[in-house]
Amino acid sequence: EPEVTQTPSHQVTQMGQEVILRCVPISNHLYFYWYRQILGQKVEFLVSFYNNEISEKSEIFDDQFSVERPDGSNFTLKIRSTKLEDSAMYFCASSEPGPGSYGYTFGSGTRLTVV
Amino acid sequence: LAKTTQPISMDSYEGQEVNITCSHNNIATNDYITWYQQFPSQGPRFIIQGYKTKVTNEVASLFIPADRKSSTLSLPRVSLSDTAVYYCLVGDRSGAGSYQLTFGKGTKLSVIP
Repeated sequence: EPEVTQTPSHQVTQMGQEVILRCVPISNHLYFYWYRQILGQKVEFLVSFYNNEISEKSEIFDDQFSVERPDGSNFTLKIRSTKLEDSAMYFCASSEPGPGSYGYTFGSGTRLTVV
Repeated sequence: LAKTTQPISMDSYEGQEVNITCSHNNIATNDYITWYQQFPSQGPRFIIQGYKTKVTNEVASLFIPADRKSSTLSLPRVSLSDTAVYYCLVGDRSGAGSYQLTFGKGTKLSVIP
């Protein structure tokens, strides 16, 4: 079964540092997403990406965040100047287009700990 | 996006059938109903999706009445490994051509030996 791969699985960073979370979506998927889940809370949408540009973003996704598809396979989330409250699980997901194809495939996540 | 309501938690013994019902009174004509499963420290996993009537796959069944204002996820003969949080989501593609999922708190299913 095709998988979405995320690296690293766990990242510890000091407050104020920049981090890049990496994802390899499923190869024939065209829509890519980042979600996050703070410990004990809901899964929250951050951003969706299609055709090399952001198609939707939430209020959480402010100027501190950016996404990029640097090549044909990777999809990255960059968090600049990390804050303590950025500590969370970050999930990448991808999906196919088309009617009825709304099932997302999520990766296993990156646990980001800001200290 | 249609709001969903589901029980916060449920307990079940191993081997029993579990039915989790979700209410979505404001579901729109083009909305699909999708269920996800999430284990601790893992990403949500797609279980099943439907529009109306009944859908069955190797993992679960989804029952949707004619008015589509609710849906029931049925897990046959649960095992300890089915202990997880189950999310009911309702939605359609946005005008931007993507599909933003809005997760609620889900139903925490605990399977007891």
